Amino acid sequence: GAGVSQSPSNKVTEKGKDVELRCDPISGHTALYWYRQRLGQGLEFLIYFQGNSAPDKSGLPSDRFSAERTGESVSTLTIQRTQQEDSAVYLCASSFRAYNSPLHFGNGTRLTVT
Amino acid sequence: AQTVTQSQPEMSVQEAETVTLSCTYDTSESDYYLFWYKQPPSRQMILVIRQEAYKQQNATENRFSVNFQKAAKSFSLKISDSQLGDAAMYFCAYRGPGDMRFGAGTRLTVKP
Repeated sequence: GAGVSQSPSNKVTEKGKDVELRCDPISGHTALYWYRQRLGQGLEFLIYFQGNSAPDKSGLPSDRFSAERTGESVSTLTIQRTQQEDSAVYLCASSFRAYNSPLHFGNGTRLTVT
Repeated sequence: AQTVTQSQPEMSVQEAETVTLSCTYDTSESDYYLFWYKQPPSRQMILVIRQEAYKQQNATENRFSVNFQKAAKSFSLKISDSQLGDAAMYFCAYRGPGDMRFGAGTRLTVKP
């Protein structure tokens, strides 16, 4: 079946503008993660959704970052008043709830703030 | 908090040779899973291999195998007969109850 889909693939925006990134998880996957990956760096955890439970927002770097997910479907990550340090690849991953289930990743959105 | 440590930022290997990437982790859980992911320049994260903590037998997937030492909390990845297409960032990952952690990654270069 289809994998995790992220859109857009690339986004260039001006400093101060708001951006919205979208993630379409694999059907049936109740868990959804957002990560940020700066150039040549590792994965920085942002937020975790599990079913209808309250999300784990502990990784969001500032109140400019927010994310939503409706049930077990699409998630959107919103960055308000973008800054140049927000430039990175934003990766979304989904999985079944059980922790023996590996994460399946999308291809990411490369965000460039000019 | 559980941590995952990859102490080798970069490694290189000659084509057809064998290379081992190191990973250690810290946890108080007894039941958990460990994964290795590969991220080529295309940036797609690809699952390479998975190990269940309660299984003593080391997981193997074709040219990829792990050396899992539960007492030492060590989970290394061995790549045999290295190929040019193995060049990528490799991330070690831990998943336990309600927790998912990644190491900082090891960049593997394969020399022809």
